[in-house]
Amino acid sequence: EPEVTQTPSHQVTQMGQEVILRCVPISNHLYFYWYRQILGQKVEFLVSFYNNEISEKSEIFDDQFSVERPDGSNFTLKIRSTKLEDSAMYFCASSPSRGTGGNSPLHFGNGTRLTVT
Amino acid sequence: AQSVTQLDSHVSVSEGTPVLLRCNYSSSYSPSLFWYVQHPNKGLQLLLKYTSAATLVKGINGFEAEFKKSETSFHLTKPSAHMSDAAEYFCVVTPSGGYNKLIFGAGTRLAVHP
Repeated sequence: EPEVTQTPSHQVTQMGQEVILRCVPISNHLYFYWYRQILGQKVEFLVSFYNNEISEKSEIFDDQFSVERPDGSNFTLKIRSTKLEDSAMYFCASSPSRGTGGNSPLHFGNGTRLTVT
Repeated sequence: AQSVTQLDSHVSVSEGTPVLLRCNYSSSYSPSLFWYVQHPNKGLQLLLKYTSAATLVKGINGFEAEFKKSETSFHLTKPSAHMSDAAEYFCVVTPSGGYNKLIFGAGTRLAVHP
C-alpha cells in the first residue's frame, strides 16, 4: 500500500535556525497537509495545500512557517527561525480529493520529531 | 465549533478481554467522525470512519464504533484485545463540508497485559 514518507525522523536544531521538514505524499494525491503534536498535547492542524497554494491555515501557522511543493513529489514545511516552543512531532498527510474526510480520508506519515534547543 | 473529548487518557485491559475507548463529540453540524491509531514510532492510521451512513461502523483489526446522536458519543470497542492493539487512539471530528481540517481528541493510550 502506498505510504506518505517523511524525512528526517528526528531533527535537532538550535533556536533561531531554519529547518525544513520534508514529505513525499502518495503519488496520485492532490491535497497536502501539515499537523503537529506538541508533547502531551493534542494533534493540531497547521495548514492545507492544494494546486500550489495554501487553501487553509490555522492561527499557529504564522509568518515563521511556509510550505512549498518544489517539484512533483516533495512537500516541505519550513520554519524560518525556530523557537523552543516549535519542538513537536510534525505530521504530513495527503488525500486524493478535497471531500469531507469520510470520503477522502487523510493518509499520514510517521512524523518528524523536531527538537529545538 | 467542533470538538471531541476522550474520556480516558489511559485504559489498561488484559489480553482477550473487551476494549472500550470512550469519545464524546460536539458539533453544530452533521459531523464526520473517525478513530485513528498510532503505534510507537508510526504514523496515524485510520481505523474507521462514520459519515452519516450506518450508525455502527466496522473498522480494521476487529474494531467497531457506534454513532449515538442522542448521547453525542462515538465509542470505540473491540470484543477481545490483542497484545498488538497496544497503541494511542485518537477520536477525530471534521464538520460536514469541512475539508479535512481534522480536530483531534487528546488521545487514549491503550495498554494490553498478558
